[in-house]
Formats: sequence, C-alpha cells, structure tokens
Amino acid sequence: AIQLTQSPSSLSASVGDRVTITCRASQGISSALAWYQQKPGKAPKLLIYDASSLESGVPSRFSGSGSGTDFTLTISSLQPEDFATYYCQQFNSYPRTFGQGTRLEIK
Amino acid sequence: QVQLQESGPGLVKPSETLSLTCTVSGGSISSYYWSWIRQPPGKGLEWIGYIYYSGSTNYNPSLKSRVTISVDTSKNQFSLKLSSVTAADTAVYYCARDTRIVATGMTYNWFDPWGQGTLVTVSS
Repeated sequence: AIQLTQSPSSLSASVGDRVTITCRASQGISSALAWYQQKPGKAPKLLIYDASSLESGVPSRFSGSGSGTDFTLTISSLQPEDFATYYCQQFNSYPRTFGQGTRLEIK
Repeated sequence: QVQLQESGPGLVKPSETLSLTCTVSGGSISSYYWSWIRQPPGKGLEWIGYIYYSGSTNYNPSLKSRVTISVDTSKNQFSLKLSSVTAADTAVYYCARDTRIVATGMTYNWFDPWGQGTLVTVSS
C-alpha cells in the first residue's frame, strides 16, 4: 500500500498567515491526489483534486501543487473558518490511502 | 444535489457483525462507484472498500476477510457488513461517492459527497 506522510502533524498559525502543508507519497502517484478539510464532528470536505484542481465553491485562497511523490496544500491568507484538520489522499492505486492529517490551530 | 445518509446500529457486541446502510438521495446510485471509509475516534481516515452500481467490489486488504459491500439499486442504497468485530472497529463510518471523471484521456477521482457519518461502538 502507498503510504502518505503529511508534515507537519500540527501547526499553529494566525489569521492572515500563509500556510503550507506537505504530503509525501512512498512511491510515485502522478497527480492522483486529493486534499480534504475536516472540522470536528463533520465529514471531510473536498478541497482539491488531481493535485491542483480547485473544487467548485472552494475559496481561491486554497491551492495545491505537486506531482510524483511530493505535494503541497497552501492557504494564502488564513481565515477563521480555515482552522481544521487537513488530509491528503491518493487515487493512484488500491487500497486508497490517506495521510495521517495535519491539525491547523489558532495561535 | 446528491446527499448520502448512513444508518444502522450504534452499538455492536464483540465478535458480531456490524451492518450499515447508506441511502442516496437527490440522484441515482447507477453509473457510480460508492465507498465506505471509517475514522476511529481521534484518529485518521481508513478506506474500507468500494462497490460499483453493477455489483463489482474492491476491498482494503487489511479488512478484506471480514468485509462485504453490497448494493440495492431499487432502493438507491448500498450496504456494509463487517464481521467478527472487536473494539478496534469502533469508529465513525462514512459512506461517500467515489466520483470518477474521464476527460481528455485522463481519469480524475475523488470522494464527494460524503454522508454525515455514524458512530459505531463495539462493546459488550
């Protein structure tokens, strides 16, 4: 199974900050990666698919990049509603796997 | 828009079988793939498996010996059965559409939408 390792596991930041979360795959997955945001008690919400395509309705401050084994999710200017846990997930092969998550907290 | 809703017992005894159903509303279950995903309390997400509306399946090898996913197109539902459960199977169970789009020779894939999730506790 392909392992996805996210860093950092947790992050403290302030409103207005630029934040970057990385996701590294244990083997190449082309651009078959999605990013999700999860708030407490809620289901994950799709943000990015195909590594860099923004899901409809998702604010443009979210962006994704990368291919192969290294990927990033960037939030250009943190808003209060962005404090949540973020997961990457690969669609290159089975079983589908997720990163362990990055918890984004208010500083 | 398409909405998913999980249903089933919230408490299952050890060694018994966990059974959940996902009801799809606002759209047809046909022509799509559908997945189950779980999340133990305070932990990350684990993909359990998918079913295509035609009935073909693919399961996570870590659970394959205990998992059965089935579909009932007449009811617009798909279901999960997980046998011989232990406390380690305590989790929030989500159903999701395993969306696949083919365009310009490429296949794009993501999980969306998701159900709200249902907590299943394994305890005697």
